[in-house]
Amino acid sequence: DSGVTQTPKHLITATGQRVTLRCSPRSGDLSVYWYQQSLDQGLQFLIQYYNGEERAKGNILERFSAQQFPDLHSELNLSSLELGDSALYFCASSVEGSGYTFGSGTRLTVV
Amino acid sequence: AQSVTQLGSHVSVSEGALVLLRCNYSSSVPPYLFWYVQYPNQGLQLLLKYTSAATLVKGINGFEAEFKKSETSFHLTKPSAHMSDAAEYFCAVSDRNTGRRALTFGSGTRLQVQP
Repeated sequence: DSGVTQTPKHLITATGQRVTLRCSPRSGDLSVYWYQQSLDQGLQFLIQYYNGEERAKGNILERFSAQQFPDLHSELNLSSLELGDSALYFCASSVEGSGYTFGSGTRLTVV
Repeated sequence: AQSVTQLGSHVSVSEGALVLLRCNYSSSVPPYLFWYVQYPNQGLQLLLKYTSAATLVKGINGFEAEFKKSETSFHLTKPSAHMSDAAEYFCAVSDRNTGRRALTFGSGTRLQVQP
């Protein structure tokens, strides 16, 4: 157990739908990062939150959004889903300037 | 922008042989460098990281990596491969100066260990 908890582990949904992925960071970590892993794109950084505020954006689509709550857990919202959004979505947390701890991921399948 | 190149998408070694996985980075200043391992259907586990102390970094499971600024490389090695080392390995970089701490990953190298 890495200390970073992601739920759900698996999600199957239809095109056009909206889903929410949840991440609880390791205790004491203020930063949360979201990554997408797919066969064709590899591991891509989506977005970072630090202590409730958006810190950096990567290759995140406009259909996707995220937030970090006062208890530091984060949610990634994916809407108007397309087949190409099928991927593993990872959350990682860190103390600034230190290493990154990854969760076990949420596997999203869009059918 | 930073980038990471991993040479060889697949590497196959015999059990007991040397493991060498190559990683080159592109950055104007030496970044932070990381190696992660991913076993099937699992998340990413940190093997080791370079943050500007010793250039030879020792990690878990007998792995080590050497930071070579002149070659912009951070290759991962292990003297003797075990069957349990079969997995996908990712090199990653983050920028130490701009405050952008998100990781940029290489495309990964799948390591096969033959008995």
